[in-house]
Parts: sequence; C-alpha cells; structure tokens
Amino acid sequence: ILNVEQSPQSLHVQEGDSTNFTCSFPSSNFYALHWYRWETAKSPEALFVMTLNGDEKKKGRISATLNTKEGYSYLYIKGSQPEDSATYLCDLLGQAGTALIFGKGTTLSVSS
Amino acid sequence: DAMVIQNPRYQVTQFGKPVTLSCSQTLNHNVMYWYQQKSSQAPKLLFHYYDKDFNNEADTPDNFQSRRPNTSFCFLDIRSPGLGDAAMYLCATSRDRLAGGEQFFGPGTRLTVL
Repeated sequence: ILNVEQSPQSLHVQEGDSTNFTCSFPSSNFYALHWYRWETAKSPEALFVMTLNGDEKKKGRISATLNTKEGYSYLYIKGSQPEDSATYLCDLLGQAGTALIFGKGTTLSVSS
Repeated sequence: DAMVIQNPRYQVTQFGKPVTLSCSQTLNHNVMYWYQQKSSQAPKLLFHYYDKDFNNEADTPDNFQSRRPNTSFCFLDIRSPGLGDAAMYLCATSRDRLAGGEQFFGPGTRLTVL
C-alpha cells in the first residue's frame, strides 16, 4: 500500500524563524509530487509540482527539494511570517497515475 | 475569480437521509476528483472522472456515488449517510491526471450527520 508520511505533524515558530518539514514516500512508485498550502476556511492552493530527482523549486520565501532515490521532499520557509500559518500538504502521484495519495499534512503556526 | 466552487460550504443531514454535494469549475479541466477528509487525517481520494469516464477507488464504499452531467459540474451523492461519514469533502480538478500537474481545489463542504 502506498503511504505518504509528513513530519512533523505540527509546529509553532516565531516570526522570522526559518523552518522546514518533510514528505516521505516509497521511491519505487514515484511519478510526481505536489506541495499544497491550505489556510483555514480557504481552498488548498498548489505551491510546487516536482517531478525530477534533484528538483529545487522556489516561490518567494518558500522552496522545496526532491530526492526520488531516497523518497523524500523537503519544504523550507525562510523568515516565517504570520501569514504563512497554514497546513502544508504533500501528495504523491504514483506511476502512470496509478495512485494519488496525500499525507496528513504539517500544520504551521507562526506567532508575531 | 472562483475557479472551483463547492456548495454548500456546510451541510447537515440526518442519519440515513440521502445528501448531495455539488462542485462546479470554470477551468474546463478534464479531470474532477472527490476527496474525503476526516479530522487529523489525510484527504482520501474517493473517485475521479476523466472526462466522462468514472474511476472508483477500490476501497470507496458503495454508499458513495458520483455524477458528472457535463464538464463543469460534478456531484457526490451519499445514499445513506452514517455517523462515520461526517467529514470535509473536497472537490478538485486537473487538466490531465497522467501529466502530473497540480490539482485545483474548492473550499470544501463540511458534512455533519446527526
């Protein structure tokens, strides 16, 4: 069974802190990985689409890396701001679209 | 600007009383998905439509059905809701599942079963 693990489940940081979290997946069945940000009362919003081993994507203060051989992706937030408070979800698309599995998410809370 | 719209945002139903959740999109995407998310759990894919082709996940209960009358609309029907079906239901779209691109989500419908 394909399983996607995210850690930590939640974390609380101070404004200005940098932070990172992990999405782990079985490397043998990788096709694409997506990161989403889900703010309370809003729709989940796509951050990154990652498909190639060694991918590094960046959007403002947020960046992500991908290691398909060892089966993980990191999401980094530099200089966290209160507006970064959200749940960050990753999902894995398996080979040839065979499976689409989400992790449980990491809930980030940033205090000012 | 809303691209994926879900109605209603909150739905209360009684145990065993059929309920329908709706989703519409303005993106003209081929694929529409329905997810169930229970508290503190990962969103779980129930089924998806690729155009008119319906794809049910193996472990989706028969109690859950879906309809897609046209490109823009997709419905989730719960024939006899149980207490365990209380959850957030998310609708999403994508251009092409196999292309690996991201999904576009609606805000979700939170279902309460009394």
